[in-house]
Amino acid sequence: AQSVAQPEDQVNVAEGNPLTVKCTYSVSGNPYLFWYVQYPNRGLQFLLKYITGDNLVKGSYGFEAEFNKSQTSFHLKKPSALVSDSALYFCAVRANTNAGKSTFGDGTTLTVKP
Amino acid sequence: GAVVSQHPSWVICKSGTSVKIECRSLDFQATTMFWYRQFPKQSLMLMATSNEGSKATYEQGVEKDKFLINHASLTLSTLTVTSAHPEDSSFYICSAFREVNTGELFFGEGSRLTVL
Repeated sequence: AQSVAQPEDQVNVAEGNPLTVKCTYSVSGNPYLFWYVQYPNRGLQFLLKYITGDNLVKGSYGFEAEFNKSQTSFHLKKPSALVSDSALYFCAVRANTNAGKSTFGDGTTLTVKP
Repeated sequence: GAVVSQHPSWVICKSGTSVKIECRSLDFQATTMFWYRQFPKQSLMLMATSNEGSKATYEQGVEKDKFLINHASLTLSTLTVTSAHPEDSSFYICSAFREVNTGELFFGEGSRLTVL
């Protein structure tokens, strides 16, 4: 079985400050980890993924995430938040043997205030 | 990047009628597509895995006779909500799995269903 936990329903940061959205996972085998962003009444947009290699992954819009195997975490980060980053963020995991069937976290609403 | 088109974006229907939602992968072939349901401010609930040329695999608690899934071609999966009721009102999202390298999911823009 695979699972994802996003412990924070809501994250609030001021514009220009760094942001972190937390994610921990559980999966059998090697994990494939993903972050997606969702704007109101829209589908999910891919931000970044970890498959293998460097633990620090860089993605779209200045976001990055660090894979930590010992802590089974994959936190999303950005050095300087923008108001336009305000959205719903989902972390997802799937086993490398589980073609396409990903498990999503409950989502974290990020609000960046001017 | 790859594009997945979902149609319609919005649909309003009367109770008892059926509604069909289409999910198309525009620039790649997808043997596997997924259908999700999302309630307000909640996560995606996987409803079923749509397999081209075979029956869909439904998640526990999802009524297969209520939510009919057809994946007749490598670029099209459809979800039909039969005999819709107001409690079926929700945001439905599809995704298509592109089997290149390690594989990647591409999402449609979602369909907002309102049943009156």
